[in-house]
Amino acid sequence: SAVISQKPSRDICQRGTSLTIQCQVDSQVTMMFWYRQQPGQSLTLIATANQGSEATYESGFVIDKFPISRPNLTFSTLTVSNMSPEDSSIYLCSVEGPGVLTGEQYFGPGTRLTVT
Amino acid sequence: QKEVEQNSGPLSVPEGAIASLNCTYSDRGSQSFFWYRQYSGKSPELIMSIYSNGDKEDGRFTAQLNKASQYVSLLIRDSQPSDSATYLCAVRDDKIIFGKGTRLHILP
Repeated sequence: SAVISQKPSRDICQRGTSLTIQCQVDSQVTMMFWYRQQPGQSLTLIATANQGSEATYESGFVIDKFPISRPNLTFSTLTVSNMSPEDSSIYLCSVEGPGVLTGEQYFGPGTRLTVT
Repeated sequence: QKEVEQNSGPLSVPEGAIASLNCTYSDRGSQSFFWYRQYSGKSPELIMSIYSNGDKEDGRFTAQLNKASQYVSLLIRDSQPSDSATYLCAVRDDKIIFGKGTRLHILP
């Protein structure tokens, strides 16, 4: 499976500011995704990061709040904009393909965000 | 709305016994099924994938799929304390949907 890194691993931010999270993969992958996981909860898909085009957002998530970039097949960023305490969560990137069986996703280590 | 249901637990199992984790899903068109293990404070780790009806074994883990009943399970044989974690069931058709997970606690 691919080796995935995320930066930063954790951060404490003030409300109203923005944080950009980076996701780097050691090999080219077809699909990259961004998830949010709040304490004690399961994973919620924020968006699919599309290489060379705008990300595809899930219901309840908008580009102005969570702008995403994917300049190539190994890298993506997620920005959490104009943060509020409700944005405190773990943010995870995941990847799928090529070279893996259909649908298998592998996760990065996550970014723990606390908004004060 | 497509759903994946799991018992939240905790499920307590004595060390050395078989742990049985269950999952049901609502979308009959689902084609791919996965089990992830998530330790506290860590990200999910893929441990099993299954695509056709029946059993699939990998070491101490066995995944079972019954598409007619829309049911997928994970058996862990010879449970170890290191198996204590939250297990997430995931189902994919056009997109992957995760269950809320079952907390498993292996009693030494």
